[in-house]
Amino acid sequence: DTAVSQTPKYLVTQMGNDKSIKCEQNLGHDTMYWYKQDSKKFLKIMFSYNNKELIINETVPNRFSPKSPDKAHLNLHINSLELGDSAVYFCASSQGEHSGANVLTFGAGSRLTVL
Amino acid sequence: GQNIDQPTEMTATEGAIVQINCTYQTSGFNGLFWYQQHAGEAPTFLSYNVLDGLEEKGRFSSFLSRSKGYSYLLLKELQMKDSASYLCAAMDSNYQLIWGAGTKLIIKP
Repeated sequence: DTAVSQTPKYLVTQMGNDKSIKCEQNLGHDTMYWYKQDSKKFLKIMFSYNNKELIINETVPNRFSPKSPDKAHLNLHINSLELGDSAVYFCASSQGEHSGANVLTFGAGSRLTVL
Repeated sequence: GQNIDQPTEMTATEGAIVQINCTYQTSGFNGLFWYQQHAGEAPTFLSYNVLDGLEEKGRFSSFLSRSKGYSYLLLKELQMKDSASYLCAAMDSNYQLIWGAGTKLIIKP
């Protein structure tokens, strides 16, 4: 049983299109995240949801919109895709929001390529 | 600003020991994490330190010095499967993780 699963694993699309990446966790965790890992391998937090409430939005363009229908799901919708959006997007979850040992469990990643 | 520094790449020999260093500057501090990431895969948790000293977990150990803003990950009895990137991340006073770019470790036979 995959703890954090995200789909699709690979996504190739044209500039200007709209796409979504889905994420689900079966760990019973309270908090879910979206991270972007660029070509330089830095992991950058995009969004965090705790019990369906947005608690972080790190100045991400409003073309990116997270949607959380329940605490086990956090989907990422991207409008008007740009070349710079090409990256690997990781979903993650953790138990608790303000905990020192806030261990993240990551999904396998979704590699987005914008042509 | 907040910053994490770690070497870009290191090479070591199978069976040997390697130490990967990480220095951090954060607004407040709530602990330091090490994650392992194999190429094309998700990062996986290795260790968490919030107090000074060495934490040992099998072949892997992690050290923290809060006064120096410094941590290292020590890998013993290296195996080929240890070839991966090792990510250092510090948690600031707002419980936000600040990530380094990772150290790519290459193990040679």
